[in-house]
Amino acid sequence: AQKITQTQPGMFVQEKEAVTLDCTYDTSDQSYGLFWYKQPSSGEMIFLIYQGSYDEQNATEGRYSLNFQKARKSANLVISASQLGDSAMYFCARLPSQGAQKLVFGQGTRLTINP
Amino acid sequence: GAGVSQTPSNKVTEKGKYVELRCDPISGHTALYWYRQSLGQGPEFLIYFQGTGAADDSGLPNDRFFAVRPEGSVSTLKIQRTERGDSAVYLCASSLSPSPHNEQFFGPGTRLTVL
Repeated sequence: AQKITQTQPGMFVQEKEAVTLDCTYDTSDQSYGLFWYKQPSSGEMIFLIYQGSYDEQNATEGRYSLNFQKARKSANLVISASQLGDSAMYFCARLPSQGAQKLVFGQGTRLTINP
Repeated sequence: GAGVSQTPSNKVTEKGKYVELRCDPISGHTALYWYRQSLGQGPEFLIYFQGTGAADDSGLPNDRFFAVRPEGSVSTLKIQRTERGDSAVYLCASSLSPSPHNEQFFGPGTRLTVL
């Protein structure tokens, strides 16, 4: 199976600091999409950011940016100036370009922002 | 606009009973997905619809699980002879079209508890 690995089960960060959440993936595809989702305690999955495998520039969305290193098969999420409301589970996911359109998720990282 | 909605939000049933979980996707989204999320895990793919047809049902765990989308909009996930191991949050998602570049928008989920 083509896995997504998030090696940090939990992260604790002081408010206003930047935080990097790690994600590595295993694929033989040349074209694919990478996504990060946030899941607060309410349970809903909230889309944060997308990176296409052929995109030359790292994706950015407000305080979120994606550190994409294709050769290393890593897609780390960087959150700048963290806020208390950023406390949640964060999931990295991959979507293949061909075949089944099913997101494959990592195990998630629980981020806690301390005041 | 309205997002993906799922009903019921919570369902408690007894072992051996039949349950139906409903998903209303975002209007105009042709692709619809069901995922299952067990406690402490990332969501796992169950089935994907393109229009009315199930394009990929490889994630359904066994023949007790079935899903339909008769008019290409609302979908129902049906579980027969429920078992305690079926307890999980069932997430529905939709996207504009099946593409590795289109994010999937998730509903709030249905928490199923089988006693």
